[in-house]
Amino acid sequence: GQNIDQPTEMTATEGAIVQINCTYQTSGFNGLFWYQQHAGEAPTFLSYNVLDGLEEKGRFSSFLSRSKGYSYLLLKELQMKDSASYLCAVSDWRGGYQKVTFGIGTKLQVIP
Amino acid sequence: NAGVTQTPKFQVLKTGQSMTLQCAQDMNHEYMSWYRQDPGMGLRLIHYSVGAGITDQGEVPNGYNVSRSTTEDFPLRLLSAAPSQTSVYFCASRQPGQGAGEQFFGPGTRLTVL
Repeated sequence: GQNIDQPTEMTATEGAIVQINCTYQTSGFNGLFWYQQHAGEAPTFLSYNVLDGLEEKGRFSSFLSRSKGYSYLLLKELQMKDSASYLCAVSDWRGGYQKVTFGIGTKLQVIP
Repeated sequence: NAGVTQTPKFQVLKTGQSMTLQCAQDMNHEYMSWYRQDPGMGLRLIHYSVGAGITDQGEVPNGYNVSRSTTEDFPLRLLSAAPSQTSVYFCASRQPGQGAGEQFFGPGTRLTVL
């Protein structure tokens, strides 16, 4: 099975930088995703990491260390619209199929 | 492309009633999944399918059935609704393979069982 841990809540100031951490334990690792979910809406894809290192996409970056079972999502120049839940999800091979398991999500509140 | 569509958006059932949540995608994705999302629990996988005619159980399959007769459609059936099935249900689709493809989610069905 899998175990994915991320903080349940975080608060950060508009214009600042925030880092949301995610740790996981799995076998057959096939990649790690970050999704954004605004209240009352469906999750939307932010990033994907399968190799170690940093992936940058505009104000958002995601980092992966497979040996440590660790990832983080970095949000720069925070805006009020970034207030949302951020879901860490791990894909792995189980029973011959790729399965994706989600963490409980980190609810980020951006304050003025 | 409409992406992933789900119907209905909202539903209220009485305990013991049955119903089917509909999900369809027009991206020709092989993989489709059903999740439920509850406060403090995150998204939990109910059932998934890796292609037409192939389905398997996820983490929380009890009380739900699925079938996949076409690539496009993946309905979720509640056999006898219980209050514990009150939740938000999301259908998702993606392509498999190295690179694992992002999942595309439908807008969700908000189900209340009284």
